[in-house]
Amino acid sequence: DAGVTQSPTHLIKTRGQQVTLRCSPKSGHDTVSWYQQALGQGPQFIFQYYEEEERQRGNFPDRFSGHQFPNYSSELNVNALLLGDSALYLCASSLSKRGAPRETQYFGPGTRLLVL
Amino acid sequence: QKEVEQDPGPLSVPEGAIVSLNCTYSNSAFQYFMWYRQYSRKGPELLMYTYSSGNKEDGRFTAQVDKSSKYISLFIRDSQPSDSATYLCAMRLFFGNEKLTFGTGTRLTIIP
Repeated sequence: DAGVTQSPTHLIKTRGQQVTLRCSPKSGHDTVSWYQQALGQGPQFIFQYYEEEERQRGNFPDRFSGHQFPNYSSELNVNALLLGDSALYLCASSLSKRGAPRETQYFGPGTRLLVL
Repeated sequence: QKEVEQDPGPLSVPEGAIVSLNCTYSNSAFQYFMWYRQYSRKGPELLMYTYSSGNKEDGRFTAQVDKSSKYISLFIRDSQPSDSATYLCAMRLFFGNEKLTFGTGTRLTIIP
């Protein structure tokens, strides 16, 4: 049973550029959440996608956007990169359908983004 | 004030010791409580998942939730060098609200 997968594992960009990160959820999961984890900090919630729509959003600017595909995979896009966007970006998947067992989110290994 | 407070450590204990990790929180509406383990340069791995107050045990790990004190704990018995990692507490408001609010993490080292 494949867990959550993310690509790429590492990425180096320069200020002002745009980046796209990808995530495939755990088999059977239909919901994808994205988190940003700065060095030495806990993950911060960016947003969540369910049924191809953004369902919930954290305190992040509009430069951060996302998409969910019919196969439940997801992308995180960040425009106009800033030095402060350097972090580990984590994708987490879960199951939202009514009647599903109550369980929490499972995380992927993350994509480490460095903005120079 | 942060919603979830966690002592960042670092915490070093000898192998075989009992480890106690703690978090406090300010939002009494949190209902679901989790502990994740994160090895260096890896994603968080779910260890324990509890709902409301009480204790939950899984092997060497015990999670405690005291909602009246807004305090949660994770105990690790017979600690092993492989337990060396950062431990993150996380909380969620209610089923359907999937946003997890994390503590900053406690860095733990088990000394052989």
